[in-house]
Amino acid sequence: SYELTQPASVSVSPGQTASITCSGDKLGDKYVCWYQQKPGQPPVLVIYQDSNRPSGIPERFSGSNSGNTATLTISGTQAMDEADYYCQAWDSSTVVFGGGTKLTVL
Amino acid sequence: QVQLQESGPGLVKPSETLSLTCSVSGGSISSYYWSWIRQPPGKGLEWIGYIYNNGGTNYNPSLKSRVTISLDTSKNQFSLNLTSVTAADTAVYYCARRGAGGSTEFDYWGQGTLVTVSS
Repeated sequence: SYELTQPASVSVSPGQTASITCSGDKLGDKYVCWYQQKPGQPPVLVIYQDSNRPSGIPERFSGSNSGNTATLTISGTQAMDEADYYCQAWDSSTVVFGGGTKLTVL
Repeated sequence: QVQLQESGPGLVKPSETLSLTCSVSGGSISSYYWSWIRQPPGKGLEWIGYIYNNGGTNYNPSLKSRVTISLDTSKNQFSLNLTSVTAADTAVYYCARRGAGGSTEFDYWGQGTLVTVSS
């Protein structure tokens, strides 16, 4: 079965840039989306189709996908961005989630 | 604004069947894929399966033998049945909508409902 691999945790200082990776075989051939999840809340879509932001998502969130790695980038990270982040893709008509990355802003 | 709301028992006994319903408001259940996704306490997201408006389904291979997702367009609802549950099925269960057309993302989610499997 297809797997997506994320780092368990990433730390960033306020105002700096955070990068969260998602790796999978030939991932660049698939569309990747990213969700933000805060404690006790459902996931919120922050990036879809590799690099598109839904309305209402701040411009500091951006995404890219090439080769075997997709990357979620948060520029000028704010304390409110501290959350778990999940990548997601489709493989053979099934949905696959990455294991999630805890972003700490300190 | 589309809203999804999960409902069903919060406690299920081992070996019994977990049954949940997702009610969709603010939009028609037609022309979209509707999914169930779960999250064990303190762990990541796991896709369970989806149903399309024509009744077609697809399930996570790891759960396929125990899962049924059904659709009731007259009530704008879809449902999840998971049989022979064990403690490993304890999780927050979310219903979610995959966007229209060729989208690959879940754009609307319910708030989630915690289901505990325990005697």
